[in-house]
Amino acid sequence: QVQLVQSGGEVKKPGASVKVSCKTSGYSFTSYGISWVRQAPGQGLEWMGWISVNNGNTNYAQKLQDRVTVTADTSTSRAYLELRSLRSDDTAVYYCARDTGIYANPRSADYWGQGTLVTVSS
Amino acid sequence: EIVLTQSPGTLSLSPGERATLSCRASQSVSSSYLAWYQQKPGQAPRLLIYGASSRATGIPDRFTGSGSGTDFTLTISRLEPEDFAVYYCQQYGSSPTFGQGTQVEIK
Repeated sequence: QVQLVQSGGEVKKPGASVKVSCKTSGYSFTSYGISWVRQAPGQGLEWMGWISVNNGNTNYAQKLQDRVTVTADTSTSRAYLELRSLRSDDTAVYYCARDTGIYANPRSADYWGQGTLVTVSS
Repeated sequence: EIVLTQSPGTLSLSPGERATLSCRASQSVSSSYLAWYQQKPGQAPRLLIYGASSRATGIPDRFTGSGSGTDFTLTISRLEPEDFAVYYCQQYGSSPTFGQGTQVEIK
């Protein structure tokens, strides 16, 4: 069965960076993209970025594009989200999701990881 | 950026009733690239509908998506106890964005 298992929660200080991993299994990793979505406490969903695992194309939310990088390692079927220059309003649960956009653009996300809480606090 | 506005913010209904959720886009969503997700407390979102009207794998037929252009609707024909949750629309025709969500609560 399709599974996405994310790394554990993180506590970071303002200005630091965080890297969240997403280990996938149960499907062909290169046949789908990976999207990242976050959710601040008590708030709605915010799309952050996407990678085509097949060709490495990426697409980022404009407000985050200077601070975020999404990568994928086909040898381990893992995807990664790195967010730099953390601020208190980056405190959120971060989700990875299998994206049906394969090559050029993100599409809908049909399987999701369990979420990783990143807390930014001094 | 395409802004999605969902209404109502909260829908109070009883099991067995029909739920109608609206999602309005600030500009036309190309190729009906509109999805609906369900989220329960403490859980990840679950894909219900993609392409405005196609049900995702395993989604019961009481969930129906419709619409095009700037106006989209999710209809739950008869609410089951497990359907009480928050529902989000998402457009992915351009850089993806989500609506703010509609909470469907038990009346």
